[in-house]
Amino acid sequence: NAGVMQNPRHLVRRRGQEARLRCSPMKGHSHVYWYRQLPEEGLKFMVYLQKENIIDESGMPKERFSAEFPKEGPSILRIQQVVRGDSAAYFCASSPGQGTTNEKLFFGSGTQLSVL
Amino acid sequence: SQKIEQNSEALNIQEGKTATLTCNYTNYSPAYLQWYRQDPGRGPVFLLLIRENEKEKRKERLKVTFDTTLKQSLFHITASQPADSATYLCALDIEYGGATNKLIFGTGTLLAVQP
Repeated sequence: NAGVMQNPRHLVRRRGQEARLRCSPMKGHSHVYWYRQLPEEGLKFMVYLQKENIIDESGMPKERFSAEFPKEGPSILRIQQVVRGDSAAYFCASSPGQGTTNEKLFFGSGTQLSVL
Repeated sequence: SQKIEQNSEALNIQEGKTATLTCNYTNYSPAYLQWYRQDPGRGPVFLLLIRENEKEKRKERLKVTFDTTLKQSLFHITASQPADSATYLCALDIEYGGATNKLIFGTGTLLAVQP
């Protein structure tokens, strides 16, 4: 019964490169959330997706960041032309989408992005 | 905008004692509030959810209270153990009654239980 799977665990990029972070939700879960955690700061909501739909991207920076959750395959958080300020831990969470268990989030172990 | 505050300083207690962590929020009335545990290098793990019409919730050695008048939740761990050492996060939903599970999180309180 695999949980939320994120990869890679660690990602190092040079300024200007692209970063792709992947997330496979728990089996049976159709809702995916991305959060970012900066040192000494709390988790910040970025985007909420369902299969093939972006439901709420109010926490996403307006430029360089995009997310998708295709019909088949994992959810992808894409950061173009990374800058040092993008260095952070990026967490993916999933929920089933209905019922009372939808009210809690199941998190992956995160991807630590380091921009040199 | 909504704001959540948790004890910014680490909480150090002796094994066997009760740990009490505080979560205060402003500018909002959530439908429910949640507590998560986060270990270094790991994602948060859900512990407890308490709804606005509930005063108290228990799960094994954990107890959560929710005072919507004071806009405060207290999280208690009784008979604490070194294995309880972690960062504890408070979170609340920001779309009251909405269809999403969009949560905002506090910065967390680091609990260290000394043997």
